[in-house]
Formats: sequence, C-alpha cells, structure tokens
Amino acid sequence: DAKTTQPNSMESNEEEPVHLPCNHSTISGTDYIHWYRQLPSQGPEYVIHGLTSNVNNRMASLAIAEDRKSSTLILHRATLRDAAVYYCILRPQTGANNLFFGTGTRLTVIP
Amino acid sequence: NAGVTQTPKFQVLKTGQSMTLQCAQDMNHEYMSWYRQDPGMGLRLIHYSVGAGITDQGEVPNGYNVSRSTTEDFPLRLLSAAPSQTSVYFCASSPSLDTQYFGPGTRLTVL
Repeated sequence: DAKTTQPNSMESNEEEPVHLPCNHSTISGTDYIHWYRQLPSQGPEYVIHGLTSNVNNRMASLAIAEDRKSSTLILHRATLRDAAVYYCILRPQTGANNLFFGTGTRLTVIP
Repeated sequence: NAGVTQTPKFQVLKTGQSMTLQCAQDMNHEYMSWYRQDPGMGLRLIHYSVGAGITDQGEVPNGYNVSRSTTEDFPLRLLSAAPSQTSVYFCASSPSLDTQYFGPGTRLTVL
C-alpha cells in the first residue's frame, strides 16, 4: 500500500490559514488522495479528496503538486473546532474501498 | 438518517470472554468495514464487506469474526478476548468506492 508521510504535529493561531503537508512519493497514477480528520473522542470524518487537480469544498482546499508526489490541505481560517488529527490517505481507484491510516498530523489551534 | 450507529459505547471484558460489537447503517451502503485504533495510533482495518454475504480480511483480522447477512448490519465478534484487543473500535460504511462514514466508536477494555 502506498505510504504517506506527514508531520506529527502543527500549531496554528485561530483565524489564520493552515497548510498541512503530505508527502506521497510512491503514489501510483490511479491513486486518489483523501484527507480525513478525527476530532477528539470521535470517529474520522471525510474532509476532501482529489486526483490531479486542486479541489475546493466548504471545509477546505486541496493543492496537489504537479508530479503528485505531495499535496497540501489548506484550512483557510482555522477555528478552535478544527483542532483534530488530520490523515492523508492514498486510495486506489479500483479494488476494495479500504483506507490505510498513518499516524496523521495533530493540529493545535491557539486562541 | 441516523448514519452509522455502534453499540455499546463502552465495554469491559475479562480475558477469555466473547462478545459482539454491533454496527448498523441506514444509508443503504454496500461497503462496510471495521477498524481498531490503539492509543496514539491511526486506524487499522480488521475486516470489511463489499455487500451482503461477502466479507474479507483486513490488516489485523486475528481474533475477530464478521458476517454480513443484511445490507444494514455488520457485527464484529471477539471470540476469546485478550488484553491486546483493548482498543477503540470504529465501524464505517460507504457507497462503493466513495467517502467513508464512520460511527462514533466502541471503547473496549479487556482485563
């Protein structure tokens, strides 16, 4: 399974943008890049996903490098409710819909 | 919709006891899966199902059984509980190769 590398932790001030990086140098051409987050004492929740082009939704933006070996999740204005562990996951286009979680990045938002 | 529900929320077992963790979804999703999360770790896949009557093993299947007799339900059975199975268990469902929706989790302690 393709592996991702993320920093263990990051901090951000409230209401400032946050850029969460993810390296995935062994990504295959058919892997989607998914981001999930896990708030304290809750199950993971979907944030965003993409294949090649940058993606935006109401929660975040996903910027994907041209060579697809890295990506960045962007939270435009961090709030205290965004404090969570963020997971970057590669998911193949075919086969079973299994997600392989690493240890993710723990985001702390400072008031 | 209730989404993905899990019962119980908390459970304490003695070594050697057996029990079933319940998972149900009301979204008519074909795909369901079970993960476990140990402290400070990401989620690891135990078993999954791509439809009623079809199950398969994930990354850490030993000591667990599953069955899928209906689309809605996907119970996880611990055959003979061991302290190493102390963990938080999450159930998830999704419509085929798409976003996964996670339940709130069951916190299991095995003494």
